[in-house]
Amino acid sequence: KQEVTQIPAALSVPEGENLVLNCSFTDSAIYNLQWFRQDPGKGLTSLLLIQSSQREQTSGRLNASLDKSSGRSTLYIAASQPGDSATYLCAVRADSNYQLIWGAGTKLIIKP
Amino acid sequence: ETGVTQSPTHLIKTRGQQVTLRCSSQSGHNTVSWYQQALGQGPQFIFQYYREEENGRGNFPPRFSGLQFPNYSSELNVNALELDDSALYLCASSPVAGGPDTQYFGPGTRLTVL
Repeated sequence: KQEVTQIPAALSVPEGENLVLNCSFTDSAIYNLQWFRQDPGKGLTSLLLIQSSQREQTSGRLNASLDKSSGRSTLYIAASQPGDSATYLCAVRADSNYQLIWGAGTKLIIKP
Repeated sequence: ETGVTQSPTHLIKTRGQQVTLRCSSQSGHNTVSWYQQALGQGPQFIFQYYREEENGRGNFPPRFSGLQFPNYSSELNVNALELDDSALYLCASSPVAGGPDTQYFGPGTRLTVL
């Protein structure tokens, strides 16, 4: 059974710092992995999607990496801003179905 | 703004009651998925509807049921509410061209069961 874990559960850093969020999964047979952002009252927004054949994806100040063999993904945020404060979740999709398996998220606070 | 709306925003029910949550998707989004997110946890997949038929279900009992309508709206019904059903319920719709990985989430309905 696939399990997704995100550590740390919460993180608080000063504005301007670069930071890394971690996601690990127990079954390497994934189809893809997504990173989402969740803001209170606004639902979830997909940030980056990495297919199983890819090693990384970049969008602006965000870079996500995927290492299937070790069951790990990281989300790198460069030059953090207060507007980056949110909960970040990763989710994996298995080969055989469309169901997403989610981590519990990392609550990120960027202090001005 | 994803164009996916959910109603109501908040809801309080008592144990044993029934509840209906609603989701309205964008035109052309013929796939809708429902998720349950308990406080401090990630979303858990409840089920997915494609062209008004259920085509995938997570580990949820039959008292969780759904409907999808031709006008791109959908419902999640929960019977015999239990205290553990207290959670944020999210719907997500996918456009025909985007594939299953393109999901647009609504803001959710916060259900509290007392």
